[in-house]
Amino acid sequence: EAQVTQNPRYLITVTGKKLTVTCSQNMNHEYMSWYRQDPGLGLRQIYYSMNVEVTDKGDVPEGYKVSRKEKRNFPLILESPSPNQTSLYFCASSLLRTGNQPQHFGDGTRLSIL
Amino acid sequence: AQKITQTQPGMFVQEKEAVTLDCTYDTSDQSYGLFWYKQPSSGEMIFLIYQGSYDEQNATEGRYSLNFQKARKSANLVISASQLGDSAMYFCAMKTSYDKVIFGPGTSLSVIP
Repeated sequence: EAQVTQNPRYLITVTGKKLTVTCSQNMNHEYMSWYRQDPGLGLRQIYYSMNVEVTDKGDVPEGYKVSRKEKRNFPLILESPSPNQTSLYFCASSLLRTGNQPQHFGDGTRLSIL
Repeated sequence: AQKITQTQPGMFVQEKEAVTLDCTYDTSDQSYGLFWYKQPSSGEMIFLIYQGSYDEQNATEGRYSLNFQKARKSANLVISASQLGDSAMYFCAMKTSYDKVIFGPGTSLSVIP
């Protein structure tokens, strides 16, 4: 089954404790992206990647890191999480060709930073 | 700055009626794509419909159609014959010419029996 898998689905942690949210897709998609969703703000893009070793900042990259060492994986790293990073996070992937290439989303990861 | 605006935080529609969800966008790009996604209360993001900036015809997908007015920079979603299962958050999104994606704040649609 074609899917984007995020782990963990839920995480409660404390300020300053490094964490990684993994994202993996099995559709051989070039494009992968991370978003955070906050009430009233919709989804905001954190980072995106158009291929292995190619990453770009989205609108809200501060406090986050990503890497794309393999095509299928795109982990999101919070080196020193803070309470304002409490949010619902989505990973998504798509083909990179122009035109109608909708993103396939993971089920989301709800992070609470205390 | 590139931006998506959805001016209707919440909408109600009677079952079987049609409803239009508004979306306006701001970009100086010539090439871009516009998407609509649905997010039910269960949380998953579901792709509904796409319109390319060079597409001359309005996109349609089943009960969904996109009213694309390029000069006005609007891309409104029209849902015909609303069903109870259409109750959800709806997001308009734009993919820019350099592959960045911008979402609007969303519209919460409630379908009344």
